[in-house]
Amino acid sequence: GAVVSQHPSWVICKSGTSVKIECRSLDFQATTMFWYRQFPKKSLMLMATSNEGSKATYEQGVEKDKFLINHASLTLSTLTVTSAHPEDSSFYICSARDFGQSNQPQHFGDGTRLSIL
Amino acid sequence: AQTVTQSQPEMSVQEAETVTLSCTYDTSENNYYLFWYKQPPSRQMILVIRQEAYKQQNATENRFSVNFQKAAKSFSLKISDSQLGDTAMYFCAFTSNTGKLIFGQGTTLQVKP
Repeated sequence: GAVVSQHPSWVICKSGTSVKIECRSLDFQATTMFWYRQFPKKSLMLMATSNEGSKATYEQGVEKDKFLINHASLTLSTLTVTSAHPEDSSFYICSARDFGQSNQPQHFGDGTRLSIL
Repeated sequence: AQTVTQSQPEMSVQEAETVTLSCTYDTSENNYYLFWYKQPPSRQMILVIRQEAYKQQNATENRFSVNFQKAAKSFSLKISDSQLGDTAMYFCAFTSNTGKLIFGQGTTLQVKP
């Protein structure tokens, strides 16, 4: 089945550091990818929709300059948390939709646990 | 705007018994999809079952089945013959043509031996 690879799975870094998270579709093309944030024992909150070759669409309340999204190819989207602070610590998950299978479910990456010290 | 509501934060069931998780949603759209996802402690998102809104027949996947009531905007998940491996957080989710997934608050299910 379709696979989405998310990297890194876990990162710990100092406050003020910028952290890049990658989301790759391994065996299909994804014109659209989605980025979610999840706090412990809470639901997934959609942060933004990543569109290949164009600007991302951010949900209300999500800071565009804090969470930079780039979707430069049909198989890769990146989320960069800029100047990260402890309040940015969370679990981030990406998902991708197969370009040729718009009526099929999204495929999720395994998530990235981000801890800012 | 679409919303998804799961009113049961936590539930428990004895192994081999049946449990039903509730979900309601709100939308003005006519064409959409509904899903149940399972998130075990590993935090992987695992698709359990999906339902197309235009289908009247309730979806079934082995021990998992749904009761889809379109007029009532209700989409409950029934787990039969519960197993210890079913212990997880379960999310109900909605999507339409935008592709965005809107999740409910989640229900933590504990299967007891």
